[in-house]
Amino acid sequence: EAGVAQSPRYKIIEKRQSVAFWCNPISGHATLYWYQQILGQGPKLLIQFQNNGVVDDSQLPKDRFSAERLKGVDSTLKIQPAKLEDSAVYLCASSLSADLSYNEQFFGPGTRLTVL
Amino acid sequence: GNSVTQMEGPVTLSEEAFLTINCTYTATGYPSLFWYVQYPGEGLQLLLKATKADDKGSNKGFEATYRKETTSFHLEKGSVQVSDSAVYFCALGKNTGNQFYFGTGTSLTVIP
Repeated sequence: EAGVAQSPRYKIIEKRQSVAFWCNPISGHATLYWYQQILGQGPKLLIQFQNNGVVDDSQLPKDRFSAERLKGVDSTLKIQPAKLEDSAVYLCASSLSADLSYNEQFFGPGTRLTVL
Repeated sequence: GNSVTQMEGPVTLSEEAFLTINCTYTATGYPSLFWYVQYPGEGLQLLLKATKADDKGSNKGFEATYRKETTSFHLEKGSVQVSDSAVYFCALGKNTGNQFYFGTGTSLTVIP
């Protein structure tokens, strides 16, 4: 079974530029998550999708971050414009359903973003 | 609010030593508790979980018991191996909600 795919793996941009990350979850997984992991910290959940609908985006900085999952499969996360403090690893994860007491969350390898 | 506090690292142990990594949580309601592991160069993966009080999660020789009275979920292993060297994350998930919270991670290095 293929895992969660993410691209690019690394990205370096200057502040105020835009950047987009792509995630392809495990086939059949209805729930998709985007996390931000700043160096030395644990992952922080930014947004959660159930199929193509947003379930929770309470920790997404909506003035600069946006995410979509138009057809309920792939997802993109965009930052526009980027700030220095956005330097982090962006993780995508997916699970069969949102009930993690019964379903496992599988993580992708992440995209490491450096903002100069 | 909901949060997870875990033991600061890094932790360095000799092979076959006993491991404990402390994790405590704050939550409303009845969360599920998890330990995730990140081996060098690899992605996060679930190590074990417990979904209700007094449950014990176990995998690969690691164990953790969901203690509601002390709001804790400490990770233990009786005899660590070099291959256990990794970063370990404690996490909390709400069954009824859609929130998932990670601790800051504890780096473990096991030396031969």
